[in-house]
Amino acid sequence: GENVEQHPSTLSVQEGDSAVIKCTYSDSASNYFPWYKQELGKGPQLIIDIRSNVGEKKDQRIAVTLNKTAKHFSLHITETQPEDSAVYFCAARYSGTYKYIFGTGTRLKVLA
Amino acid sequence: GAGVSQTPSNKVTEKGKYVELRCDPISGHTALYWYRQSLGQGPEFLIYFQGTGAADDSGLPNDRFFAVRPEGSVSTLKIQRTERGDSAVYLCASSLKAGDNEQFFGPGTRLTVL
Repeated sequence: GENVEQHPSTLSVQEGDSAVIKCTYSDSASNYFPWYKQELGKGPQLIIDIRSNVGEKKDQRIAVTLNKTAKHFSLHITETQPEDSAVYFCAARYSGTYKYIFGTGTRLKVLA
Repeated sequence: GAGVSQTPSNKVTEKGKYVELRCDPISGHTALYWYRQSLGQGPEFLIYFQGTGAADDSGLPNDRFFAVRPEGSVSTLKIQRTERGDSAVYLCASSLKAGDNEQFFGPGTRLTVL
């Protein structure tokens, strides 16, 4: 069935270090993979996304990589700042549907 | 313009009661989605609308849950005979059209069933 696994569940890094969050999806028909950032009491906000025909995408300090063969995709945040502290969710959209299947989230803490 | 708005922000009800949760999507967005987020979990898909019709309601957990979007804009999620297990944050999202990549989320309604 449709499933997205996300690791780690919590991650603490020192300010300025990099953070990596990894996700695995189950259905090879998935074609779109967004990453959302959720701050306390707010709805998720899209920070970056990648389509299945692209292997890597970068936007300033944030990058996402996709390995279709292994069905893995990862979020990379470089030069982390305290304001990056939040819960991050990966998601997958399966071909033929418009619903997202979300991972269980990663709570990122950037220590000043 | 304004983002997705949801009312109320918090709702406390008693087991067995009926509740309605409202979502106002971004103006001009034809697709609208409902998700449920339990504590410490990712959002879980419930239903989505393209225009006025429910295009996929496969995520609704049972027949106590129902959603409408009569004019293709505002949507209401209705829960009958609420149970304690229904307690969660209910998120609404909208996109320009179904299949449009970015779904914009509202702040959610926190439902607590006592």
